Amino acid sequence: SQTIHQWPATLVQPVGSPLSLECTVEGTSNPNLYWYRQAAGRGLQLLFYSVGIGQISSEVPQNLSASRPQDRQFILSSKKLLLSDSGFYLCAWRWGRDTQYFGPGTRLTVL
Amino acid sequence: AQSVTQPDIHITVSEGASLELRCNYSYGATPYLFWYVQSPGQGLQLLLKYFSGDTLVQGIKGFEAEFKRSQSSFNLRKPSVHWSDAAEYFCAVGRSYNTDKLIFGTGTRLQVFP
Repeated sequence: SQTIHQWPATLVQPVGSPLSLECTVEGTSNPNLYWYRQAAGRGLQLLFYSVGIGQISSEVPQNLSASRPQDRQFILSSKKLLLSDSGFYLCAWRWGRDTQYFGPGTRLTVL
Repeated sequence: AQSVTQPDIHITVSEGASLELRCNYSYGATPYLFWYVQSPGQGLQLLLKYFSGDTLVQGIKGFEAEFKRSQSSFNLRKPSVHWSDAAEYFCAVGRSYNTDKLIFGTGTRLQVFP
């Protein structure tokens, strides 16, 4: 069966510091991978998605970037965090035509 | 524009009561529709999905949803709510055969009283 991992689970960072969130998927190959952000009281906003190694599509221009160095690894990064980057970050994967499956999420607080 | 509306931000029900969570969508093509549930501090778990065929779909945990094309709705129902159903529920719509860009509603928070 497939499993998706995210770490860290929680993170508190000062404004202006860098960020690296990691997502890995087990039990499947060549999945589509996704990063979402969930702000308080809002739905999920798609940030990036990837259909293969080194292939990144950005949905929302912002302070963040994503990379996919390996088939089942997806990284979300920032060089300098802003207060507005605080939120709950969710990674998801999809194989085949339909359903996205979500990881446990990372709670990021920028102070 | 493509959108998903969940008109109820917060719903409170008594344990054992029936439940209906509303979802309306605006989508130009034939949609794929999903309901996810999120417990506090957790990721999203798929409850059920609709792609085609029978418009009444069954999901996990005793939930069902009915697709009504004429009303652009995909409401979630459960005949008898359990205290463990307290969570946030999200409706989402995607393009058929390629759900890379899911559009989510803003969610409905369900509170269950004993």
